Amino acid sequence: DGGITQSPKYLFRKEGQNVTLSCEQNLNHDAMYWYRQDPGQGLRLIYYSQIVNDFQKGDIAEGYSVSREKKESFPLTVTSAQKNPTAFYLCASSNGNTIYFGEGSWLTVV
Amino acid sequence: GENVEQHPSTLSVQEGDSAVIKCTYSDSASNYFPWYKQELGKGPQLIIDIRSNVGEKKDQRIAVTLNKTAKHFSLHITETQPEDSAVYFCAASRVRSNYQLIWGAGTKLIIKP
Repeated sequence: DGGITQSPKYLFRKEGQNVTLSCEQNLNHDAMYWYRQDPGQGLRLIYYSQIVNDFQKGDIAEGYSVSREKKESFPLTVTSAQKNPTAFYLCASSNGNTIYFGEGSWLTVV
Repeated sequence: GENVEQHPSTLSVQEGDSAVIKCTYSDSASNYFPWYKQELGKGPQLIIDIRSNVGEKKDQRIAVTLNKTAKHFSLHITETQPEDSAVYFCAASRVRSNYQLIWGAGTKLIIKP
């Protein structure tokens, strides 16, 4: 099946730990994105990448890092510098104007 | 900065009735307006979109209207069904600038049986 796969679905992080969320797409899309969604809230852009080996900060990049070494993959690392990381994280990709989302990953700090 | 305002934040309608969600945007250069549906615990899915050279677009029970002069666009769902219950997001951008998608805050649509 073509689509965007995010893993894990649920992740727990201890204080001071870095964690990495995986995002893989087989849609052959050039652009990929990471959004954060807090309960009952809208979508906020963390990072985006329009092409391999290039990425740009979104509106709330502090405390996060990404890499784009392959077209299909755009992992997000939530670092210990992110003080309030508990949220629902959405990866997306696009082939122009239409953005397609993955199923999301829940991150909880314990 | 640019923003998109979405109203109402919650909408409750009787099954079979129509639902209307409205968004207003500030960037007059915006020319692409998608609507997404998000079910609980899942990623948003595109349900319909419209470009600025079109005033209305329809897909079965869903329609979107655009008023560029007033800078607002609306989602219309007719003959609502229980499976329409979800959160709906509008967005606006300039063509070929997906990273510049500006999102509304979302509308929780509740379909009462």
